[in-house]
Amino acid sequence: SAVISQKPSRDICQRGTSLTIQCQVDSQVTMMFWYRQQPGQSLTLIATANQGSEATYESGFVIDKFPISRPNLTFSTLTVSNMSPEDSSIYLCSVKEPTAYEQYFGPGTRLTVT
Amino acid sequence: RKEVEQDPGPFNVPEGATVAFNCTYSNSASQSFFWYRQDCRKEPKLLMSVYSSGNEDGRFTAQLNRASQYISLLIRDSKLSDSATYLCVVNSGSSGTYKYIFGTGTRLKVLA
Repeated sequence: SAVISQKPSRDICQRGTSLTIQCQVDSQVTMMFWYRQQPGQSLTLIATANQGSEATYESGFVIDKFPISRPNLTFSTLTVSNMSPEDSSIYLCSVKEPTAYEQYFGPGTRLTVT
Repeated sequence: RKEVEQDPGPFNVPEGATVAFNCTYSNSASQSFFWYRQDCRKEPKLLMSVYSSGNEDGRFTAQLNRASQYISLLIRDSKLSDSATYLCVVNSGSSGTYKYIFGTGTRLKVLA
């Protein structure tokens, strides 16, 4: 399976600021996804990052709050904008390889907003 | 009703026991199904995909019942290292699309 890295692994940010999380894959993948996992909860899909076009957001998530870029088939970024303490969460990227149904996850970014 | 439902547990079982988890899903058009394992403060890791015919991987057996819209995971001869949260995942996207819905997870604790 693909090897996925995320940067930063963790951060503590002040409310009102923004943080950009990077996701890098060691091979070309057709689909990349961004998830949020709030404390004690399961994963919620934020959006599908589409290469060369705008991301597809799930209900409850908007581009102004979570802008996503995907400039090529191995890299994507998620920005958490104008943060509040409610944004404290783990953010995970995942990928699906072209010939598989399964998705694989990066190690996650643990965000704390104070 | 949630799209994917699991009993949150925790399931506390002794070493060597057999334990089974069930998961129900609401979208009958769902195409593919998976079990993931998540250890504390780690990312989810794929345990196994679930096929219509059922599949087995060592001590783990997964089954799919499309008519009743549930999937199951059976763990035989539990080990201490099996302690984790088990996540049921359903791809509820329509044909050719991918929208993975996660259950809330079932916590397993294997006791010495």
